[in-house]
Amino acid sequence: EAGVAQSPRYKIIEKRQSVAFWCNPISGHATLYWYQQILGQGPKLLIQFQNNGVVDDSQLPKDRFSAERLKGVDSTLKIQPAKLEDSAVYLCASSLVGPYEQYFGPGTRLTVT
Amino acid sequence: GQQVMQIPQYQHVQEGEDFTTYCNSSTTLSNIQWYKQRPGGHPVFLIQLVKSGEVKKQKRLTFQFGEAKKNSSLHITATQTTDVGTYFCAGLMYSGGGADGLTFGKGTHLIIQP
Repeated sequence: EAGVAQSPRYKIIEKRQSVAFWCNPISGHATLYWYQQILGQGPKLLIQFQNNGVVDDSQLPKDRFSAERLKGVDSTLKIQPAKLEDSAVYLCASSLVGPYEQYFGPGTRLTVT
Repeated sequence: GQQVMQIPQYQHVQEGEDFTTYCNSSTTLSNIQWYKQRPGGHPVFLIQLVKSGEVKKQKRLTFQFGEAKKNSSLHITATQTTDVGTYFCAGLMYSGGGADGLTFGKGTHLIIQP
């Protein structure tokens, strides 16, 4: 069974630039999550999708972050404009249904200079 | 806000010694999950506990969920070098809307000296 795919794996941008991350969840998984993991901390949930609908985006900084999951499969997370404090690993995860047993992708390491 | 606290932040052990990490929530949890993250890797699901007082074992790992469903622990017996990594607990809070996501603790970094 293929795992959660993410791209790119690494990205370096300057502050005020924009960036987008892509995630392809495990086939058949209805729930998809985006997390931000700052060095030395646990993952912080940014947004949770159930199929193509948002069920929790309470911690998403909506003035600069946006996410979508078209057709209930792939998802993209965008940051525009980026700030220095956005430097982190962005993890995508998926689960069969609901916030249980999540499978994480390898993550995208973002460095904002 | 809702918080999940984990202690200790770091734990150094000699190979063969036991290891325990503790997790405490400010609110009652619907369930608690444990994940392991190897250095440079991504979190990997270990187990989920749902019932009050539940105890589950996986080989050398023992997981417990407190009676009040506010705390949990992970105990590793006779650590091996393959156990190196960061262990996270993640709590699912009760919500009337039923849509809350997981809240992760900051993790316990396990360092093993041969």
